Amino acid sequence: KNEVEQSPQNLTAQEGEFITINCSYSVGISALHWLQQHPGGGIVSLFMLSSGKKKHGRLIATINIQEKHSSLHITASHPRDSAVYICAAEGGSGGSNYKLTFGKGTLLTVNP
Amino acid sequence: DSGVTQTPKHLITATGQRVTLRCSPRSGDLSVYWYQQSLDQGLQFLIQYYNGEERAKGNILERFSAQQFPDLHSELNLSSLELGDSALYFCASSSSGLLNTGELFFGEGSRLTVL
Repeated sequence: KNEVEQSPQNLTAQEGEFITINCSYSVGISALHWLQQHPGGGIVSLFMLSSGKKKHGRLIATINIQEKHSSLHITASHPRDSAVYICAAEGGSGGSNYKLTFGKGTLLTVNP
Repeated sequence: DSGVTQTPKHLITATGQRVTLRCSPRSGDLSVYWYQQSLDQGLQFLIQYYNGEERAKGNILERFSAQQFPDLHSELNLSSLELGDSALYFCASSSSGLLNTGELFFGEGSRLTVL
């Protein structure tokens, strides 16, 4: 069974700060997903990556397969980035490639 | 708007009852995934269907069942409801689902409250 750990659990930042959220997992995976969940509850997929780095606007996701670790970075943070960020590991040893194991999420609050 | 539609948005029912949650995937997506989000367990994968067939099962209770119909919409049936079944139930769809999950598009969720 894959264990997915996220840190920090809570993060408060000032507008404009650089944000890093970390995710580690215990067994090899086929892909790592980063999701964003706003207070209203809706979930949006930000990234799916299996190696290297992906960038979308102010968001950057990286993954290190050997270290079983991924990071989500937000540059020039803005209050509208306030949300829960969830990483999810897909597949892994003995697991289906369709089964996501989720971290508990990081609650990010960006103050103006 | 993700293009994934879930109904109902809110549902309040009593213990022992049965409910059905419905999901219409994005146009053209063959894969539908169901997830449960509760305060104590967080998000958990329940089940996946691909083009009408069950493809993967997660932590889905025996009291729960799902199916995907020929028009690709899916239903999640929850029976003999218990207080602990109170949660947000999300449906997601993807155009993939053969080799991996692919990019997921989530519905707004169905909030179930069991009293």
